Amino acid sequence: EVQLVESGGGLVQPGRALTLSCSASGFTFSDYLMSWFRQAPGMGLEWVGLIRSKRYGGTPIYAASVVGRFTISRDDSKRIAYLQMESLQAEDSAVYYCSREHFGMDVWGQGTTVTVSS
Amino acid sequence: AIQMTQSPSSLSASVGDRVTITCRASQGIRSDLGWYQQKPGKAPKLLIYAASILHSGVPSRFSGSGSGANFTLTISSLQPEDFATYYCLQDYDYPRTFGQGTKVEVK
Repeated sequence: EVQLVESGGGLVQPGRALTLSCSASGFTFSDYLMSWFRQAPGMGLEWVGLIRSKRYGGTPIYAASVVGRFTISRDDSKRIAYLQMESLQAEDSAVYYCSREHFGMDVWGQGTTVTVSS
Repeated sequence: AIQMTQSPSSLSASVGDRVTITCRASQGIRSDLGWYQQKPGKAPKLLIYAASILHSGVPSRFSGSGSGANFTLTISSLQPEDFATYYCLQDYDYPRTFGQGTKVEVK
Protein backbone atom coordinates (compact mmCIF):
# COMPACT_ATOMS: atom_id res chain seq x y z
CA GLU A 1 0.00 0.00 0.00
CA VAL A 2 1.29 3.43 -0.92
CA GLN A 3 1.49 5.43 2.27
CA LEU A 4 2.96 8.55 3.84
CA VAL A 5 3.15 9.03 7.59
CA GLU A 6 4.14 12.31 9.19
CA SER A 7 5.58 12.55 12.67
CA GLY A 8 7.35 14.99 14.93
CA GLY A 9 4.64 17.53 15.61
CA GLY A 10 3.93 18.91 19.04
CA LEU A 11 3.92 21.97 21.25
CA VAL A 12 6.92 24.25 20.86
CA GLN A 13 7.75 27.65 22.28
CA PRO A 14 8.07 30.67 20.01
CA GLY A 15 11.55 31.04 18.60
CA ARG A 16 12.36 27.36 19.00
CA ALA A 17 12.93 24.70 16.36
CA LEU A 18 11.17 21.49 15.40
CA THR A 19 11.76 18.83 12.76
CA LEU A 20 8.99 16.92 11.07
CA SER A 21 9.45 13.60 9.28
CA CYS A 22 7.49 12.06 6.43
CA SER A 23 8.01 8.31 6.13
CA ALA A 24 7.11 6.68 2.85
CA SER A 25 6.20 3.12 2.00
CA GLY A 26 4.77 1.19 -0.91
CA PHE A 27 6.56 3.06 -3.69
CA THR A 28 10.06 3.94 -4.89
CA PHE A 29 10.52 7.03 -2.75
CA SER A 30 13.68 8.20 -4.49
CA ASP A 31 11.82 8.66 -7.79
CA TYR A 32 9.40 11.27 -6.52
CA LEU A 33 9.21 14.95 -5.74
CA MET A 34 7.91 15.42 -2.20
CA SER A 35 5.97 18.44 -1.00
CA TRP A 36 4.98 19.90 2.34
CA PHE A 37 1.75 21.76 3.00
CA ARG A 38 0.14 23.22 6.08
CA GLN A 39 -3.27 24.27 7.26
CA ALA A 40 -3.79 26.66 10.13
CA PRO A 41 -6.89 26.04 12.29
CA GLY A 42 -10.03 26.91 10.37
CA MET A 43 -8.06 28.12 7.37
CA GLY A 44 -7.27 26.96 3.86
CA LEU A 45 -4.34 24.98 2.58
CA GLU A 46 -0.92 26.53 2.09
CA TRP A 47 2.02 25.16 0.17
CA VAL A 48 5.21 25.22 2.27
CA GLY A 49 7.76 23.84 -0.16
CA LEU A 50 9.11 20.78 -1.90
CA ILE A 51 12.21 18.79 -2.62
CA ARG A 52 12.91 17.38 -6.03
CA SER A 53 14.11 13.85 -6.59
CA LYS A 54 17.86 13.32 -6.94
CA ARG A 55 17.31 12.71 -10.63
CA TYR A 56 16.26 16.34 -10.92
CA GLY A 57 18.92 17.68 -8.61
CA GLY A 58 17.36 17.00 -5.22
CA THR A 59 16.90 20.73 -4.71
CA PRO A 60 14.29 22.35 -2.49
CA ILE A 61 11.97 25.27 -3.20
CA TYR A 62 10.21 27.22 -0.46
CA ALA A 63 7.24 29.47 0.01
CA ALA A 64 8.16 33.07 0.73
CA SER A 65 6.63 32.81 4.20
CA VAL A 66 9.15 30.19 5.33
CA VAL A 67 12.28 30.84 3.27
CA GLY A 68 15.31 31.19 5.50
CA ARG A 69 13.56 29.53 8.44
CA PHE A 70 12.49 26.14 7.07
CA THR A 71 14.67 23.52 5.41
CA ILE A 72 13.40 20.56 3.44
CA SER A 73 15.65 17.55 2.94
CA ARG A 74 15.36 13.89 2.11
CA ASP A 75 17.09 10.63 2.93
CA ASP A 76 16.28 8.23 0.14
CA SER A 77 17.98 5.32 1.91
CA LYS A 78 15.53 5.74 4.81
CA ARG A 79 12.61 6.77 2.59
CA ILE A 80 12.05 9.90 4.67
CA ALA A 81 11.50 13.54 3.83
CA TYR A 82 12.20 16.13 6.52
CA LEU A 83 10.93 19.58 7.31
CA GLN A 84 13.25 21.40 9.67
CA MET A 85 11.56 24.46 11.12
CA GLU A 86 13.43 27.18 12.98
CA SER A 87 12.46 30.45 14.61
CA LEU A 88 8.90 29.23 14.90
CA GLN A 89 6.16 31.78 15.43
CA ALA A 90 2.53 31.53 16.42
CA GLU A 91 1.50 31.88 12.78
CA ASP A 92 3.35 28.63 12.01
CA SER A 93 0.82 26.72 14.11
CA ALA A 94 -0.91 24.34 11.75
CA VAL A 95 -1.43 20.79 10.66
CA TYR A 96 1.49 19.90 8.42
CA TYR A 97 1.03 17.44 5.58
CA CYS A 98 3.52 15.82 3.27
CA SER A 99 2.51 14.74 -0.19
CA ARG A 100 3.87 12.98 -3.22
CA GLU A 101 3.63 15.01 -6.41
CA HIS A 102 2.86 12.73 -9.31
CA PHE A 103 0.19 13.97 -11.72
CA GLY A 104 -1.15 16.12 -8.95
CA MET A 105 -0.58 15.57 -5.26
CA ASP A 106 -1.74 12.00 -5.45
CA VAL A 107 -0.74 10.69 -2.01
CA TRP A 108 -1.01 12.56 1.28
CA GLY A 109 -0.05 11.76 4.82
CA GLN A 110 -2.51 12.08 7.67
CA GLY A 111 -0.87 15.23 8.96
CA THR A 112 0.95 16.18 12.14
CA THR A 113 -0.01 19.13 14.33
CA VAL A 114 2.42 21.85 15.30
CA THR A 115 1.39 24.31 17.99
CA VAL A 116 3.65 27.27 18.68
CA SER A 117 2.85 28.76 22.05
CA SER A 118 4.51 29.79 25.26
CA ALA B 1 2.85 34.42 -7.31
CA ILE B 2 -0.14 33.16 -9.27
CA GLN B 3 -3.37 34.00 -7.51
CA MET B 4 -6.18 31.46 -7.63
CA THR B 5 -9.66 32.87 -7.14
CA GLN B 6 -12.18 30.20 -6.28
CA SER B 7 -15.93 30.67 -6.12
CA PRO B 8 -18.25 30.38 -4.43
CA SER B 9 -16.70 30.22 -0.97
CA SER B 10 -19.64 28.10 0.14
CA LEU B 11 -22.80 26.66 -1.25
CA SER B 12 -25.80 24.76 0.00
CA ALA B 13 -27.06 21.84 -2.03
CA SER B 14 -29.17 18.72 -1.78
CA VAL B 15 -28.38 15.13 -2.62
CA GLY B 16 -28.83 14.69 -6.34
CA ASP B 17 -28.03 18.30 -7.21
CA ARG B 18 -25.54 19.29 -9.85
CA VAL B 19 -22.78 21.40 -8.29
CA THR B 20 -20.28 23.62 -10.07
CA ILE B 21 -17.22 25.28 -8.56
CA THR B 22 -14.96 27.60 -10.48
CA CYS B 23 -11.34 28.63 -10.17
CA ARG B 24 -9.70 31.49 -12.00
CA ALA B 25 -5.96 31.96 -12.24
CA SER B 26 -4.35 35.39 -12.34
CA GLN B 27 -2.42 34.28 -15.43
CA GLY B 28 -2.55 31.40 -17.85
CA ILE B 29 -1.52 28.08 -16.33
CA ARG B 30 -2.19 25.79 -19.30
CA SER B 31 -4.02 22.80 -17.79
CA ASP B 32 -1.78 22.55 -14.74
CA LEU B 33 -4.52 22.45 -12.16
CA GLY B 34 -5.83 19.92 -9.70
CA TRP B 35 -8.97 19.66 -7.62
CA TYR B 36 -8.93 18.32 -4.07
CA GLN B 37 -11.58 17.29 -1.59
CA GLN B 38 -11.06 17.68 2.13
CA LYS B 39 -13.28 16.50 4.94
CA PRO B 40 -12.93 17.83 8.51
CA GLY B 41 -9.90 16.48 10.30
CA LYS B 42 -8.68 14.64 7.22
CA ALA B 43 -5.99 15.15 4.62
CA PRO B 44 -6.98 16.42 1.19
CA LYS B 45 -7.68 13.88 -1.52
CA LEU B 46 -6.88 14.32 -5.19
CA LEU B 47 -9.95 14.23 -7.42
CA ILE B 48 -8.82 15.66 -10.75
CA TYR B 49 -5.39 16.45 -12.19
CA ALA B 50 -4.34 18.21 -15.37
CA ALA B 51 -7.64 20.09 -15.17
CA SER B 52 -9.79 17.27 -16.49
CA ILE B 53 -8.29 13.85 -15.75
CA LEU B 54 -10.03 11.82 -13.10
CA HIS B 55 -7.67 10.40 -10.48
CA SER B 56 -7.80 6.65 -10.02
CA GLY B 57 -10.71 5.50 -7.90
CA VAL B 58 -12.61 8.79 -8.01
CA PRO B 59 -16.28 8.42 -8.95
CA SER B 60 -17.24 9.49 -12.44
CA ARG B 61 -19.79 12.02 -11.12
CA PHE B 62 -16.76 14.29 -10.62
CA SER B 63 -15.46 16.07 -13.69
CA GLY B 64 -13.14 18.95 -14.44
CA SER B 65 -12.80 21.28 -17.36
CA GLY B 66 -10.97 24.36 -18.48
CA SER B 67 -7.55 25.52 -19.52
CA GLY B 68 -5.59 28.73 -19.52
CA ALA B 69 -7.05 30.72 -16.64
CA ASN B 70 -10.56 29.41 -16.11
CA PHE B 71 -11.44 26.07 -14.61
CA THR B 72 -14.51 24.26 -13.37
CA LEU B 73 -15.18 21.31 -11.09
CA THR B 74 -18.58 19.71 -11.54
CA ILE B 75 -20.30 17.12 -9.41
CA SER B 76 -23.07 15.79 -11.60
CA SER B 77 -25.24 14.33 -8.85
CA LEU B 78 -24.23 15.20 -5.32
CA GLN B 79 -23.98 12.25 -2.96
CA PRO B 80 -24.03 12.30 0.87
CA GLU B 81 -20.31 11.60 1.02
CA ASP B 82 -19.56 14.63 -1.17
CA PHE B 83 -20.32 17.21 1.50
CA ALA B 84 -16.84 18.58 2.06
CA THR B 85 -14.54 21.45 1.18
CA TYR B 86 -13.02 21.58 -2.29
CA TYR B 87 -9.81 23.31 -3.31
CA CYS B 88 -8.12 23.99 -6.61
CA LEU B 89 -4.32 23.98 -6.74
CA GLN B 90 -2.16 25.20 -9.58
CA ASP B 91 0.98 23.21 -10.27
CA TYR B 92 2.14 25.31 -13.21
CA ASP B 93 4.63 27.40 -11.26
CA TYR B 94 6.19 28.04 -7.87
CA PRO B 95 4.97 28.86 -5.37
CA ARG B 96 2.14 26.37 -5.71
CA THR B 97 -1.06 28.21 -4.83
CA PHE B 98 -4.53 27.12 -3.77
CA GLY B 99 -7.90 28.63 -4.22
CA GLN B 100 -9.58 29.74 -1.00
CA GLY B 101 -11.80 26.67 -0.90
CA THR B 102 -15.49 25.97 -1.41
CA LYS B 103 -17.47 24.42 1.40
CA VAL B 104 -20.35 22.31 0.11
CA GLU B 105 -23.02 22.09 2.78
CA VAL B 106 -26.35 20.37 3.17
CA LYS B 107 -29.27 22.51 2.09
